[in-house]
Amino acid sequence: AQKITQTQPGMFVQEKEAVTLDCTYDTSDPSYGLFWYKQPSSGEMIFLIYQGSYDQQNATEGRYSLNFQKARKSANLVISASQLGDSAMYFCAMREGRYNQGGKLIFGQGTELSVKP
Amino acid sequence: GAGVSQSPSNKVTEKGKDVELRCDPISGHTALYWYRQRLGQGLEFLIYFQGNSAPDKSGLPSDRFSAERTGESVSTLTIQRTQQEDSAVYLCASSLYVGGSGNTIYFGEGSWLTVV
Repeated sequence: AQKITQTQPGMFVQEKEAVTLDCTYDTSDPSYGLFWYKQPSSGEMIFLIYQGSYDQQNATEGRYSLNFQKARKSANLVISASQLGDSAMYFCAMREGRYNQGGKLIFGQGTELSVKP
Repeated sequence: GAGVSQSPSNKVTEKGKDVELRCDPISGHTALYWYRQRLGQGLEFLIYFQGNSAPDKSGLPSDRFSAERTGESVSTLTIQRTQQEDSAVYLCASSLYVGGSGNTIYFGEGSWLTVV
């Protein structure tokens, strides 16, 4: 069964506008963590933001915020004020298990974001 | 070093040969992961090591794939009798064994494997 679903293979956004990248997940474990990574054309995986299943507030990191809707099992990434350097593949990932036990990270198929000047 | 280090960065091998890929995690990180990423695709989980616990090998695609880890340091991913479909980037990652937001997983730059 697909654990992480990213339904947008590709997205375009105008520079300086905000964009939302969708991610839904499937788990029966009450404890889990959600991650977003950026992969530019150079291939490196860059950690962007983390949301724990018990966190009361949505995570934010600079221009990145995570719209966490637990009941809907969605964890969408919002990038505000897009920049040309934001053009990259974006992966949503989930790790099940208790906070103090870690566990394997399962990735979605990714969304390719292109920022237009 | 400061980050996850992988070697070789690029490897071209002939079909049927064995290859070894090495990963040096961030010092002090007890968790280590291997992933495979084929061209234009997502990351496919292969194996996960956590301290002295038995590794989670549930993602290894066949018995040609194996991995070892020495204590909480270096790991080696071995692919025996390579096939063309093994061509991919093999990414290693590591994390601290703590909960919450401190459990960020950091990736190496990957080993690009091409089987000809």
